[in-house]
Amino acid sequence: QKEVEQNSGPLSVPEGAIASLNCTYSDRVSQSFFWYRQYSGKSPELIMSIYSNGDKEDGRFTAQLNKASQYVSLLIRDSQPSDSATYLCAVRSTDNFNKFYFGSGTKLNVKP
Amino acid sequence: GAGVSQTPSNKVTEKGKYVELRCDPISGHTALYWYRQSLGQGPEFLIYFQGTGAADDSGLPNDRFFAVRPEGSVSTLKIQRTERGDSAMYLCASSPNRDNEQFFGPGTRLTVL
Repeated sequence: QKEVEQNSGPLSVPEGAIASLNCTYSDRVSQSFFWYRQYSGKSPELIMSIYSNGDKEDGRFTAQLNKASQYVSLLIRDSQPSDSATYLCAVRSTDNFNKFYFGSGTKLNVKP
Repeated sequence: GAGVSQTPSNKVTEKGKYVELRCDPISGHTALYWYRQSLGQGPEFLIYFQGTGAADDSGLPNDRFFAVRPEGSVSTLKIQRTERGDSAMYLCASSPNRDNEQFFGPGTRLTVL
C-alpha cells in the first residue's frame, strides 16, 4: 500500500463549479499535510498546508482534514480554466520527519 | 525575493556519463531537499540537508548518486555512470527549517540517451 493515494483523474468540472480533490494516507499518526499545484512541465507550487482536523480556507481554496478517516481534501470554489493542473497531496512521515510522501496527483480540467 | 533556482533546466547526456545538477535555495533557508519525479508520479524523496550536512540520504537509490552542500547554501546532486532509468525531473526544494513548508525550484529535466 502506498503511503499517499490520490485518484489520478482527470477530474473535469465546468468553469465556476466547485472542484473537490481527495487524498488518503496510510500513516494514522501523520500530523502535517500539504497541497501542491503542478502545471504540466513545471515544478510543484505550494497551495496550502493543514495540521489540524477541520477546514482551512485561503481565498478560493479550502483544505479539509479528517485524521480519524485518514483523509484530506482540497476544494476549489469558482473553478477557473487557469486552475487546470495536477494537484499533489503530500504528507510528512512520522517515522522520519525529514521525509515527505507525495501522491501521484489528480489531474484537474476546468472547462470554459 | 528570489525563489529556488536550479541549473541547468535541461540536461541531455549519454549512458555512462557523469552529471551534476545544481540547486540554489532561497536565501536563509537552512533545509534543502532533492526529489526525483518521473512522468505521472509524485516527487520521490532523495536526500535532505540541514545546513551543510546530509541529515538524511535514505532516498538515494544507489551509490551512483551523491549530493553535497559544502557551505550550507548551494547544493549539487551528482550522478555517476548515468543509466537510462535515471531520466526524470530532478527537483530541489528549500525551507526555512525542517518543520516548515517546502518551496520548489523549477527543476532540471535529465535525459539519458
